[in-house]
Amino acid sequence: GAVVSQHPSWVICKSGTSVKIECRSLDFQATTMFWYRQFPKQSLMLMATSNEGSKATYEQGVEKDKFLINHASLTLSTLTVTSAHPEDSSFYICSARGYRGGAGELFFGEGSRLTVL
Amino acid sequence: QQQVKQSPQSLIVQKGGISIINCAYENTAFDYFPWYQQFPGKGPALLIAIRPDVSEKKEGRFTISFNKSAKQFSLHIMDSQPGDSATYFCAASMDPPGTYKYIFGTGTRLKVLA
Repeated sequence: GAVVSQHPSWVICKSGTSVKIECRSLDFQATTMFWYRQFPKQSLMLMATSNEGSKATYEQGVEKDKFLINHASLTLSTLTVTSAHPEDSSFYICSARGYRGGAGELFFGEGSRLTVL
Repeated sequence: QQQVKQSPQSLIVQKGGISIINCAYENTAFDYFPWYQQFPGKGPALLIAIRPDVSEKKEGRFTISFNKSAKQFSLHIMDSQPGDSATYFCAASMDPPGTYKYIFGTGTRLKVLA
C-alpha cells in the first residue's frame, strides 16, 4: 500500500539554524503534498500545499520565507524551517494522495518532531 | 465556514463500551468526510470515511453516521478496547480524497479503561 516517509523523525537544533525535513512517497507519485503543523494535544493545522514543479501555496498566516517548501520531484517534498526559534518547536507532518484498494486516500507520514533550543 | 467542530474534547469509556465522537461542518461544498486515528508521536492514519450519498458506513467495529441535513457526522466505536486509546480527528474535504486540502476537527482524546 501507499506509504509516506518522513525524515528525520526528530531533530534538535540551536536557535538561528535552519532545519530541513524530507517527505517521500515511497511507492507512488504525488503531484501534491500537504504540510501540517501540530502542537501538543492540538489539531493538525495546514501550513501549505506543495505542488510538484511549481511554488507552494501557503495558508494565511504562514510565513513563506520562514517555511520554505520545495517539491522538486514527484516523490519528494522538503520543508525547511529557516532561522529556527524556540516557538517553531512543533510536530511537522506531511501527507500525500495515494491509492489503496483502488481508491484515492490521503496518507500521512510519521511526523517530524522539531525542538529548537 | 471552513471550520469543523468536534466534540467531546476527551472521552473515557470502559472496555466493551461504545465510544461516540461527533463532528459538525458548515461548508456544504464538502463531500468527503474521513476519520483519522493518531497515536502519540505518530502521524494520523485513516480509519474510515464517508460520502454524503450514504447515511451510514460500517467497517468492523467502526461506524460513521452521517446526517446531511444537519451537517453532522459521528464516529461510533463498538466494543471499545484499550488498544483504541488514541486521539481521533474528523475531517472534511472535497472529492476526490487527497486532491483538496482537509479541514480537521480539534480532536478527541479517547481512553478506554481495561
